Amino acid sequence: GAGVSQSPRYKVAKRGQDVALRCDPISGHVSLFWYQQALGQGPEFLTYFQNEAQLDKSGLPSDRFFAERPEGSVSTLKIQRTQQEDSAVYLCASSFAPTGKNTEAFFGQGTRLTVV
Amino acid sequence: AQSVTQLGSHVSVSEGALVLLRCNYSSSVPPYLFWYVQYPNQGLQLLLKYTSAATLVKGINGFEAEFKKSETSFHLTKPSAHMSDAAEYFCAVGASGGYNKLIFGAGTRLAVHP
Repeated sequence: GAGVSQSPRYKVAKRGQDVALRCDPISGHVSLFWYQQALGQGPEFLTYFQNEAQLDKSGLPSDRFFAERPEGSVSTLKIQRTQQEDSAVYLCASSFAPTGKNTEAFFGQGTRLTVV
Repeated sequence: AQSVTQLGSHVSVSEGALVLLRCNYSSSVPPYLFWYVQYPNQGLQLLLKYTSAATLVKGINGFEAEFKKSETSFHLTKPSAHMSDAAEYFCAVGASGGYNKLIFGAGTRLAVHP
């Protein structure tokens, strides 16, 4: 597609429910990132994929958070047993180069998760 | 550890006035610095980036930023604000480690009034 696509755009979950957030990166982009943006804050890094390999998951806040990118394209961020503090916008970004430091990251519109 | 501080969570200017959004960074290695803009209910869009070439970087929509190592700053400016510039602006530093992992500031919301 022309840009990074995320679905759903909005998700309301009851506390304790599991959710799955989807990211379709730009075709051919090797790098894929997930960020969490709390209300009124800047995005915070969650995890990074290079193709299908998850090279950095240092930002995942707990073992309830799990991400995968099994075929090196579409990625899913799963949150188990959601809690109110998980309410945030989850942003996905992709970039073409696997290791270049100067490559622009293209962001999706995000998924706004509200846990009630 | 790398970090970014944006001074002023809200900035308000008149249409046609100078825009100045402040960003200071902390980095133990030569930094890669970015400014992103976020419109309501939209993702982040890259305005400009500094990658150790020219210290004055020009971006889209008339914005520019100057890298000042001595001040550890990367302030964003635009000579004349337009109503369409109203948005949230984020400064970010590229974390060391071989890929483009970004560390963001808390953001500055720019309001432009007639």
